[in-house]
Amino acid sequence: GAVVSQHPSRVICKSGTSVKIECRSLDFQATTMFWYRQFPKKSLMLMATSNEGSKATYEQGVEKDKFLINHASLTLSTLTVTSAHPEDSSFYICSARDNRVPYNEQFFGPGTRLTVL
Amino acid sequence: AQSVTQLDSHVSVSEGTPVLLRCNYSSSYSPSLFWYVQHPNKGLQLLLKYTSAATLVKGINGFEAEFKKSETSFHLTKPSAHMSDAAEYFCVVSDRNFNKFYFGSGTKLNVKP
Repeated sequence: GAVVSQHPSRVICKSGTSVKIECRSLDFQATTMFWYRQFPKKSLMLMATSNEGSKATYEQGVEKDKFLINHASLTLSTLTVTSAHPEDSSFYICSARDNRVPYNEQFFGPGTRLTVL
Repeated sequence: AQSVTQLDSHVSVSEGTPVLLRCNYSSSYSPSLFWYVQHPNKGLQLLLKYTSAATLVKGINGFEAEFKKSETSFHLTKPSAHMSDAAEYFCVVSDRNFNKFYFGSGTKLNVKP
């Protein structure tokens, strides 16, 4: 149980285009999901907390208008990288907390590798 | 503020020998600590967690970690390494409400035949 999926697993796009990444909790409901960014040989950095039915909470230094987050249902959060540029190339990972056990671990998706040409 | 420091970026062991991955934490209150493993092209998997219960925590695949408050450490150990243990390992500390996870920089474990 507690499986989180991400789609797509890899995406290559041209500079200036927008890319949408989906994060789904497959067998549980998640009011809260999280989006992380992982640079090569670096740790994961929390970008934002996605809350179902309300606005996302962004970490300091993360551009809200560039990284649009929508948490439309209890099993789906999306991250849209708008007007992507090569410096946005990275590995994006989402996680979700199971509503049944709110104060506990996060379950992570397999990640999406974004390459902006 | 919460933070973790993983003292080794790379650790190399021979199959069948013990594994030690070191992690020190900083926390302004009693912390919740986790170890996650990341295999190539796979999601992060929880190995074990400490949430103020027993200081010696046993996890999956034979891993365990000991919470030492006096040393502010939460080192991960395994008595005998297996080839399948080769992966990246992350030490994580969370805030009080498990809202924010603070990741260490990771330790890449290499297991030699």
